[in-house]
Amino acid sequence: AQSVTQLGSHVSVSEGALVLLRCNYSSSVPPYLFWYVQYPNQGLQLLLKYTSAATLVKGINGFEAEFKKSETSFHLTKPSAHMSDAAEYFCAVSGVNDYKLSFGAGTTVTVRA
Amino acid sequence: AAGVIQSPRHLIKEKRETATLKCYPIPRHDTVYWYQQGPGQDPQFLISFYEKMQSDKGSIPDRFSAQQFSDYHSELNMSSLELGDSALYFCASSKRGLDTQYFGPGTRLTVL
Repeated sequence: AQSVTQLGSHVSVSEGALVLLRCNYSSSVPPYLFWYVQYPNQGLQLLLKYTSAATLVKGINGFEAEFKKSETSFHLTKPSAHMSDAAEYFCAVSGVNDYKLSFGAGTTVTVRA
Repeated sequence: AAGVIQSPRHLIKEKRETATLKCYPIPRHDTVYWYQQGPGQDPQFLISFYEKMQSDKGSIPDRFSAQQFSDYHSELNMSSLELGDSALYFCASSKRGLDTQYFGPGTRLTVL
């Protein structure tokens, strides 16, 4: 079974600073990996996904993530944080033939002015 | 673009009552997933349907049942509600064989 672990339940960054959210996966075969963002009282919005194509994946709102098989990681980054990036971010995994998503515990991002 | 529609958006019930949550997938999506997100927790997979048949089952209580109809909308029926059922319930849809699930805004269920 696939699972993901997000390191750090809260991250606080200054506006304009680098955002780095960590996610490590556990899977016997290369999985599909996703990052979703959830704004308060809203649904989950897909930021980006890895599906065994390019290892560096670019998503919406300036986010990107790199799949590193050797480190079993799929960390999310954004070079310059904006106030609107304040939200909760979930890393998720599914199998290539088993589409249900397993989510990490989530990381809450706070952006300081 | 059309998104996943869930109704109602908010629902308040008493213990031991029943509730029905509805999900309308994106047009031409044939697969529906249900997830439960408790307060401060990550979403947990409950159940999924493909072409009106249950395709996978997660940690769904026996008190809950769900189905997908001929127009691909899905309903989650919850009986004998407990306080612990208070959560945000998400529906997601996808086109079978494609990997991306698109989530609805959720139904917030409060059990008093």
